[in-house]
Amino acid sequence: GESVGLHLPTLSVQEGDNSIINCAYSNSASDYFIWYKQESGKGPQFIIDIRSNMDKRQGQRVTVLLNKTVKHLSLQIAATQPGDSAVYFCAENIRGDDKIIFGKGTRLHILP
Amino acid sequence: DSGVTQTPKHLITATGQRVTLRCSPRSGDLSVYWYQQSLDQGLQFLIQYYNGEERAKGNILERFSAQQFPDLHSELNLSSLELGDSALYFCASSSSGGRGTDTQYFGPGTRLTVL
Repeated sequence: GESVGLHLPTLSVQEGDNSIINCAYSNSASDYFIWYKQESGKGPQFIIDIRSNMDKRQGQRVTVLLNKTVKHLSLQIAATQPGDSAVYFCAENIRGDDKIIFGKGTRLHILP
Repeated sequence: DSGVTQTPKHLITATGQRVTLRCSPRSGDLSVYWYQQSLDQGLQFLIQYYNGEERAKGNILERFSAQQFPDLHSELNLSSLELGDSALYFCASSSSGGRGTDTQYFGPGTRLTVL
């Protein structure tokens, strides 16, 4: 089974507010994590990644936080916009493995 | 646009039939990955090829097979189709050794409907 999972299947956020999407993983050998965004009718799009030797990484309007102690990953989106509406997947790579494992996804819904 | 192309966009077929999905990776990418996405499910990794050779295998059924050609395009063959094979099939590519830490760029997918 999958070791990467998401706490909430749907998240509704007011436009302009910050969004936080959470992800839990169970394999302590996972050392690389990625967030993907999938808009309706499209393939997943890389957003940001983080390696296990870091606990925070920032991109444009997005921040990924990694807490290895509790095996938790989060994606923060600042000033959420209508274009952020999508399903967000976290994915992990286990050290030494060639593949990445995707979680089930969280749907982000933006309220006007 | 990721630079990864997939054809066809939609495919409707009957149970028991065989279909071929095609993927062209981004220019210069050597690795191709295939994923299956069922309704409201995450992406299930099927198989990966790197420079023509099978690199990693996931939850791919024996009825499914894939290959990567010398020009680096890839085909996913699905045979003896069942209703449960209806899904979105995505191809992704990455640039170098195809290790799990390479960024994967996804194509737009092929929606397969088995009636």
